[in-house]
Amino acid sequence: RKEVEQDPGPFNVPEGATVAFNCTYSNSASQSFFWYRQDCRKEPKLLMSVYSSGNEDGRFTAQLNRASQYISLLIRDSKLSDSATYLCVVTPNQAGTALIFGKGTTLSVSS
Amino acid sequence: DVKVTQSSRYLVKRTGEKVFLECVQDMDHENMFWYRQDPGLGLRLIYFSYDVKMKEKGDIPEGYSVSREKKERFSLILESASTNQTSMYLCASSSQGASSYEQYFGPGTRLTVT
Repeated sequence: RKEVEQDPGPFNVPEGATVAFNCTYSNSASQSFFWYRQDCRKEPKLLMSVYSSGNEDGRFTAQLNRASQYISLLIRDSKLSDSATYLCVVTPNQAGTALIFGKGTTLSVSS
Repeated sequence: DVKVTQSSRYLVKRTGEKVFLECVQDMDHENMFWYRQDPGLGLRLIYFSYDVKMKEKGDIPEGYSVSREKKERFSLILESASTNQTSMYLCASSSQGASSYEQYFGPGTRLTVT
């Protein structure tokens, strides 16, 4: 049973492209949802939270669909610096201390 | 800025050796975690701790133990290293409460067991 599933990619896109990643989760009781970013040979870092109403941070938009149990991340006007692995993260309970990480989707943006 | 440090970036050990990986955080976080990350398998939780002297097993605790004697320090111990424990080990910390979802990671220790 895979709790959080992501397409590993890689997604290869040119600069300026719009790209979207999806992630599905199996536990309908999951409480909170996030996207983390991991650059090559670096540690993961929180990118943004995902709210039911959707949220936007500059070129990044995150959406949650509880009924279908999926989360999405949309990146507009891709930059070379967006090249990284994007990890979908779910918390299984109210406290949110033990995160469940997806295996990640790799994005490569080229000039 | 939150800082999580790990004792070594690279480590090479022999099969059967006892290995200690140290992690220190400077933000007075209650929660600390040890993960390993392998290609194609993603991040897998080994152990975590909510408080000093408290520990909880994660998804893959076999072959590992942990120690948390002080709030800022969380150690991962490989009692008898084996080649299948060759991996990248990442330590993380977080506060309790509303911000607990934001885990701060250390730079990782790449362990090779020969």
